[in-house]
Amino acid sequence: KAGVTQTPRYLIKTRGQQVTLSCSPISGHRSVSWYQQTPGQGLQFLFEYFSETQRNKGNFPGRFSGRQFSNSRSEMNVSTLELGDSALYLCASHRDGTDTQYFGPGTRLTVL
Amino acid sequence: ILNVEQSPQSLHVQEGDSTNFTCSFPSSNFYALHWYRWETAKSPEALFVMTLNGDEKKKGRISATLNTKEGYSYLYIKGSQPEDSATYLCAFETGANNLFFGTGTRLTVIP
Repeated sequence: KAGVTQTPRYLIKTRGQQVTLSCSPISGHRSVSWYQQTPGQGLQFLFEYFSETQRNKGNFPGRFSGRQFSNSRSEMNVSTLELGDSALYLCASHRDGTDTQYFGPGTRLTVL
Repeated sequence: ILNVEQSPQSLHVQEGDSTNFTCSFPSSNFYALHWYRWETAKSPEALFVMTLNGDEKKKGRISATLNTKEGYSYLYIKGSQPEDSATYLCAFETGANNLFFGTGTRLTVIP
């Protein structure tokens, strides 16, 4: 069974640009969560999508948004990039009704 | 923002030593406590999910205990091996799949 995949793995952008990251969950998993990790910080929860609806949201500004498609694939968008958005972005999927979240390898975003 | 603390931040042990780390979390609004192992350049891998006070889980040489009343969990590794070198993360869940992660304990096992 294929794991969670994320594309791209690495990305370099400049301040003010926007970026879209993609996450494909494990087959059969309808829930996708997104996390940000910056140096010295634990993983910070961004949002969770289930059946194309945002079900839960962390404490991030509105520049961070996401969506989920009917095949459960999810995208995360960050507009008007700031230097502080440089981070590793991880997504995780899980089967609804279970507790374990399965993580992808992450997208390393660098904002110059 | 919920405060989840892990200690120590990092440690080095000799191959064959046993070791343990601590995860402290709020004792209210508890739903579950997760442990993950995160090796460099890989995805975080789920080790345990614990939901009941007094829970003990074991996977090979790794085990974990949970005390929800006082808000802590211990992760134990018996007879550490070099392949155990990784960052060990704990995450506190209040429900709704919202995980609050600690900053991790970085373990290095010296052959």
